Amino acid sequence: DSGVTQTPKHLITATGQRVTLRCSPRSGDLSVYWYQQSLDQGLQFLIQYYNGEERAKGNILERFSAQQFPDLHSELNLSSLELGDSALYFCASSPTTGYEKLFFGSGTQLSVL
Amino acid sequence: QQPVQSPQAVILREGEDAVINCSSSKALYSVHWYRQKHGEAPVFLMILLKGGEQKGHDKISASFNEKKQQSSLYLTASQLSYSGTYFCGTEMGAGNQFYFGTGTSLTVIP
Repeated sequence: DSGVTQTPKHLITATGQRVTLRCSPRSGDLSVYWYQQSLDQGLQFLIQYYNGEERAKGNILERFSAQQFPDLHSELNLSSLELGDSALYFCASSPTTGYEKLFFGSGTQLSVL
Repeated sequence: QQPVQSPQAVILREGEDAVINCSSSKALYSVHWYRQKHGEAPVFLMILLKGGEQKGHDKISASFNEKKQQSSLYLTASQLSYSGTYFCGTEMGAGNQFYFGTGTSLTVIP
């Protein structure tokens, strides 16, 4: 158990809908990262937050947004969902801003039908 | 900027050795290695900082050649539990953006 909690584990929704994925980092970790993993795309970095502030942005679509709350949990919002958004979404956490050892949650499997 | 890994896939028999390579087109500050078993989250193996040091983790070790901008992961006397997809991750400067490689699927058979 990495100590990073992601909910829900599975999410099935329809095109055009909006969903929210939730992540609670390990106790004491200030950084939260979001990754998207598709079968043919590997692990694609979406966005990083550190202590409530956006720290780095990767290949995140404009339809996607995220935030980190004062209690350090993070939410990834995906809207106007398309079939191609179906993927496994991982959250990871680390103690500081740098990319030292990342602890990954078990992921949220999103299926857009 | 995504590092390229080779081979894409490898199948080994128990006890055999394997090498997985990770190459970047840019100068690297650090290289990280992770293993992801099927249906699970990636798990950290090791970090190598520039300086060419070699690290080990049981029978898994890695090297980092900063001049060639590449890292190699060495799996010695492979065990069934080594099966999974191995990802390298590269960082071009401390705190700079971090990219995972393309992944190498490793299967160990009895």
